[in-house]
Amino acid sequence: SYELTQPPSVSVSPGQTARITCSGDALPKQFAFWYQQKPGQAPVVVIYKDTERPSGIPERFSGSSSGTTVTLTISGVQAEDEADYYCQSADSSGTYLVVFGGGTKLTVL
Amino acid sequence: EVQLVDSGGGLVQPGGSLRLSCAASGFIFSNYWMSWVRQAPGKGLEWVANIKEDGSEKYYVDSVMGRFTVSRDNAKNSLYLQMNSLRAEDTAVYYCARERSGCFDHWGQGTLVTVSS
Repeated sequence: SYELTQPPSVSVSPGQTARITCSGDALPKQFAFWYQQKPGQAPVVVIYKDTERPSGIPERFSGSSSGTTVTLTISGVQAEDEADYYCQSADSSGTYLVVFGGGTKLTVL
Repeated sequence: EVQLVDSGGGLVQPGGSLRLSCAASGFIFSNYWMSWVRQAPGKGLEWVANIKEDGSEKYYVDSVMGRFTVSRDNAKNSLYLQMNSLRAEDTAVYYCARERSGCFDHWGQGTLVTVSS
């Protein structure tokens, strides 16, 4: 089955830049999406179609794509950004099955 | 304002059944694919199933194939998940989510399903 691979954890100090990667063989063919989830809350999309930012999401959130890896970048990290982050995409085999990465816990030191 | 309200969760014994519902409002429900996504306690997100706008196509993750059925009633702006032959590993918070161009742009608040004897 298709998998997306994320690092389990990333730690940064306030004001620094956090980068969270997501790797998958189908990513050159399928868009990726990023979600932020805080404890006890439903996920919220922060990046869609690899690089697009929804209205209401701070400009410090950005996305990029290169080959089989997509990256969520948070510039000037703030304490409120501490959360779990998940990438999501789809299988490119034509089965239209959705897959999430395992999630990355962002800790703001 | 888009709203999705999940309901129907609870405690059920292994082998039992449960039907989850998601009430949608604030958008034209029949224009969107809809999905169910679950999250086991302390674990990550797992997509479970989705259904096309008119209900003509449905897809499932392998682990629930043959046990779960996704359906919708566009006249009632509602999404459903019928869960049969439940197992301990199905214990999770279940979220309904609206799909837009492959992205889950709105989520329900989730409903907890606990499978235990």
